[in-house]
Amino acid sequence: DAKTTQPPSMDCAEGRAANLPCNHSTISGNEYVYWYRQIHSQGPQYIIHGLKNNETNEMASLIITEDRKSSTLILPHATLRDTAVYYCIVRGEGAQKLVFGQGTRLTINP
Amino acid sequence: GAGVSQTPSNKVTEKGKYVELRCDPISGHTALYWYRQSLGQGPEFLIYFQGTGAADDSGLPNDRFFAVRPEGSVSTLKIQRTERGDSAVYLCASSLTYGVWNEQFFGPGTRLTVL
Repeated sequence: DAKTTQPPSMDCAEGRAANLPCNHSTISGNEYVYWYRQIHSQGPQYIIHGLKNNETNEMASLIITEDRKSSTLILPHATLRDTAVYYCIVRGEGAQKLVFGQGTRLTINP
Repeated sequence: GAGVSQTPSNKVTEKGKYVELRCDPISGHTALYWYRQSLGQGPEFLIYFQGTGAADDSGLPNDRFFAVRPEGSVSTLKIQRTERGDSAVYLCASSLTYGVWNEQFFGPGTRLTVL
């Protein structure tokens, strides 16, 4: 699976949009981009995934660049409960396991 | 409905002892995964079951680690002759079936401390 690069930490004000970037320049055509988050002392939680089209669900939006070499997870109106480590994962269609990197520690400030 | 549950939530043991960690997946989920998370790191894959059989055990660090899922539901991760380096949070996840489109639901983890 392709390697991902994320900033180690980010801050965002409560109520503002949080935009978390991820680089995956070696992604191949059949690899999906997944986002999970892990709130302190809990297991990771699935957020969203996509292949090449932008995706939106009740939690977030995922914007994937046309060349698929990078993506951005958008939390439209961040709350204090969104403080967590966010993991961007690239996963091939035949792969079952998730390969986690270091993630981005997002802190939402009041 | 009930999520993935793991017992115990915390386990303290002494170096050299044997431990068993249990995972109850979401009812009806056929795929089950074990991960290990060291302090400050992301989770690391250990083993994956599809039904009763281990489909991929490439992440098990050595032969002291073994996992079973005899009836295709509950799974037990077994660690023999524990070492201080085995201290970590052991996470279990399940998904409805295999395939990249099936999200994995994680349990809260078992924190293992080897003294």
